[in-house]
Amino acid sequence: NAGVTQTPKFQVLKTGQSMTLQCAQDMNHEYMSWYRQDPGMGLRLIHYSVGAGITDQGEVPNGYNVSRSTTEDFPLRLLSAAPSQTSVYFCASSELRRYRGLNGYTFGSGTRLTVV
Amino acid sequence: DAKTTQPNSMESNEEEPVHLPCNHSTISGTDYIHWYRQLPSQGPEYVIHGLTSNVNNRMASLAIAEDRKSSTLILHRATLRDAAVYYCILRGDAGTSYGKLTFGQGTILTVHP
Repeated sequence: NAGVTQTPKFQVLKTGQSMTLQCAQDMNHEYMSWYRQDPGMGLRLIHYSVGAGITDQGEVPNGYNVSRSTTEDFPLRLLSAAPSQTSVYFCASSELRRYRGLNGYTFGSGTRLTVV
Repeated sequence: DAKTTQPNSMESNEEEPVHLPCNHSTISGTDYIHWYRQLPSQGPEYVIHGLTSNVNNRMASLAIAEDRKSSTLILHRATLRDAAVYYCILRGDAGTSYGKLTFGQGTILTVHP
């Protein structure tokens, strides 16, 4: 089925470890983004991309890196994990049709990350 | 970025209509009004969006005030599966807010059998 695929679904890291959260979409969407959601909170934007080779920072980018080498993939790298990065991470994608109406995002099912 | 204001929570009975309000008094002319919902332990799900005119789809209807400073998401017959957090979000089509979704706290909708 078409959609946004996130891996892994669950991950436990030790403080200081690094890892990459994977996100792939098969809808040829130009726009991709990463959000984090802390307990009882709304989603906060980490990084986003409007196309291959183009990325930009969102609201809470510190401690995270992204790259966009293909339209389909948008991995999120945690450089040195900290307990404050314990959260649920969501990847989302969307078509990007300026001035013709922006369509809705499709979200992945999330990665639940715990840093101990 | 333009902000939205929603009630923290609302309750409804099954099979009754639900009207979820959203205020966005600082909306700009290029902001689209989006609604998403998030069921427990799931990612957000797109519900509907609009710019100026009222919109209908299989999930819901979106009524937009003439001055665009408020909108209402209408679920015509609530079911238990509609119990979720509903987010009203302005998605920019220009400038630094282009394409971004900024989530607020949303409205927790409880549906009673």
